Amino acid sequence: KAGVTQTPRYLIKTRGQQVTLSCSPISGHRSVSWYQQTPGQGLQFLFEYFSETQRNKGNFPGRFSGRQFSNSRSEMNVSTLELGDSALYLCASSSDGTVYGYTFGSGTRLTVV
Amino acid sequence: KQEVTQIPAALSVPEGENLVLNCSFTDSAIYNLQWFRQDPGKGLTSLLLIQSSQREQTSGRLNASLDKSSGRSTLYIAASQPGDSATYLCAVVPNGSSNTGKLIFGQGTTLQVKP
Repeated sequence: KAGVTQTPRYLIKTRGQQVTLSCSPISGHRSVSWYQQTPGQGLQFLFEYFSETQRNKGNFPGRFSGRQFSNSRSEMNVSTLELGDSALYLCASSSDGTVYGYTFGSGTRLTVV
Repeated sequence: KQEVTQIPAALSVPEGENLVLNCSFTDSAIYNLQWFRQDPGKGLTSLLLIQSSQREQTSGRLNASLDKSSGRSTLYIAASQPGDSATYLCAVVPNGSSNTGKLIFGQGTTLQVKP
């Protein structure tokens, strides 16, 4: 059974640019959540999608957005990149987003220069 | 507001020692609690999932317990090995429709097992 796949693994972008990250969940999982991990703030919740609908959102500016497709694959977009957006971005999939636990991908390391 | 705390922040032990990692949370209304392991620069690997109605889970040398009434969970690692060196994170999913998909993480315990 394939795990959670995140692409690309590494990205280097210039301040002001935009970036799109992709996450393919485990087959059959309908919930996809996104997290930002930085040394100073730890793991912070960005948003969660379930069956193409955003169900929950963390405290991030509107520059961070996402979407989910009918096959449950999800993308996260960050516009007008800032240096502080440099982080490891992780996605997690779950069958329902509540009781059945989460499986994480390997992450995308974004560096903004 | 749910908060998760892990103590200690770092731990160094000799190989073979049994050890306990602690996790506490402020609100007992949770769907589940999950323990993860993270190696440097990598994603999270799920170790154990304890659902709200359960008291403990075991996998190999790992045992995790959950006491919702006191807001505590422990991860017990038996006969530690150098390969166990990593950061261990606990996370809860709070109850409620406004919390679906939202894991609340502790800051982690970084474990070093010396040969």
